[in-house]
Amino acid sequence: AQSVTQPDIHITVSEGASLELRCNYSYGATPYLFWYVQSPGQGLQLLLKYFSGDTLVQGIKGFEAEFKRSQSSFNLRKPSVHWSDAAEYFCAVGHSGGGADGLTFGKGTHLIIQP
Amino acid sequence: DTAVSQTPKYLVTQMGNDKSIKCEQNLGHDTMYWYKQDSKKFLKIMFSYNNKELIINETVPNRFSPKSPDKAHLNLHINSLELGDSAVYFCASSHRETQYFGPGTRLLVL
Repeated sequence: AQSVTQPDIHITVSEGASLELRCNYSYGATPYLFWYVQSPGQGLQLLLKYFSGDTLVQGIKGFEAEFKRSQSSFNLRKPSVHWSDAAEYFCAVGHSGGGADGLTFGKGTHLIIQP
Repeated sequence: DTAVSQTPKYLVTQMGNDKSIKCEQNLGHDTMYWYKQDSKKFLKIMFSYNNKELIINETVPNRFSPKSPDKAHLNLHINSLELGDSAVYFCASSHRETQYFGPGTRLLVL
C-alpha cells in the first residue's frame, strides 16, 4: 500500500529565509505527487503536482518541488518565505491509473514564520 | 464562481442526530470524493463517486452514506452521530488525477 511521510511536524522559518519541506513516499508504480496548502480555517489549495517529465516542477505562490526517484522524495521549496506562507502543508500521492481513487496524504507540516 | 462548494460551513449537533452535508462542483469533473480530517489534521479518503457509482468505500461506519443526485453533487449523510464523528469533512472533485477541494465543513458533535 502507498504511504507518505512528512518527517517534520513543525518548521519555523524567519521571514525572507528559504524553505524546504520534506516528503517521502512509498508507492509500487510511478507516483502522481502533489503538494497542498491549508491556511488556518480554510480548505486545501493545490500548490503543484508531478506526473512525469521534468523532475523540477513550478507551482503557485513561488513554490517549487523536485521529484527524486532514487530517494523516493518530493521536497517542496521556496527561496524566500512571506508571513502569509504560514500554514499547514500536505504532501500526497495519487494513483497513476486515474482519478477514481483517493489521495494518500502525509500527516502535514505546520509552517511557522518568524518576523 | 466557486469551483467546489460545501454547505454548511459549520455544523454543531447533538449525539444521536442525523445530519447531511452538501457538496457541489461546477468544474464538470467526473469524480467526487469525501475526506475526513481529524483533530490532528490527518486527511483520509472516505468515499469517491465516479459517474454516480461508488468506487471506493473505505472502512467507514455504515452510518455514513454518500448520495449523488447528479454528476455535480455528492452529499454526505450521517446517521446517529457520535462524538468521534467530530472532524472537518472535505469534498473534492477531479478530472483524471488532480483533485480540487472544497472549503470544508466543521462538524462538532456534543
